[in-house]
Amino acid sequence: DAGITQSPRYKITETGRQVTLMCHQTWSHSYMFWYRQDLGHGLRLIYYSAAADITDKGEVPDGYVVSRSKTENFPLTLESATRSQTSVYFCASSGPSLVGRSPNYGYTFGSGTRLTVV
Amino acid sequence: KQEVTQIPAALSVPEGENLVLNCSFTDSAIYNLQWFRQDPGKGLTSLLLIQSSQREQTSGRLNASLDKSSGRSTLYIAASQPGDSATYLCAVREGRWIETSGSRLTFGEGTQLTVNP
Repeated sequence: DAGITQSPRYKITETGRQVTLMCHQTWSHSYMFWYRQDLGHGLRLIYYSAAADITDKGEVPDGYVVSRSKTENFPLTLESATRSQTSVYFCASSGPSLVGRSPNYGYTFGSGTRLTVV
Repeated sequence: KQEVTQIPAALSVPEGENLVLNCSFTDSAIYNLQWFRQDPGKGLTSLLLIQSSQREQTSGRLNASLDKSSGRSTLYIAASQPGDSATYLCAVREGRWIETSGSRLTFGEGTQLTVNP
């Protein structure tokens, strides 16, 4: 089925470790985004990507790295995890689509990854 | 900088009541506005998308309106049910093309709705 999937669903890691969160979409959407959601801050944009090999910083990019070698994948890496990065991470995608008709440029979100850094 | 405000922050109603959730935004130059629903511990589910040229969208018991000039949108829920209990988020998209305006969504803080049986 078409959609956007994130993995893992839950992750516990130690301070200082590198961890990668995966995001895969089947819409062939050009645009992909990473948000984090925290109590008191709502949803904040970390990084976004216009297409394969084109990425840019959002509001809170420090401590994160992204890549996009293929249109359908947009992994987010925490290079050296800190406790302040404990959060719920959401991946999203949006049109335009590279194939077929895009659904009105609305955003589609994944189910999220709950990351705990201890 | 675009700011999105949702009022009220929380709402508790008895089952069957019709209700209105409010969303306001500071910059009226938007591309579209999207309403989402989020259940506890879950992701965001898109409910309705209104393009800037549209005044309203309907889906089942939900109706969303947009008044771009005044910077307001409302989400109307008819005949509320306990299953409607969730947090409702409003988000505005300022541009179509990510290269020019970032095409980012700016979210409100949400309205936490509880519908009591």
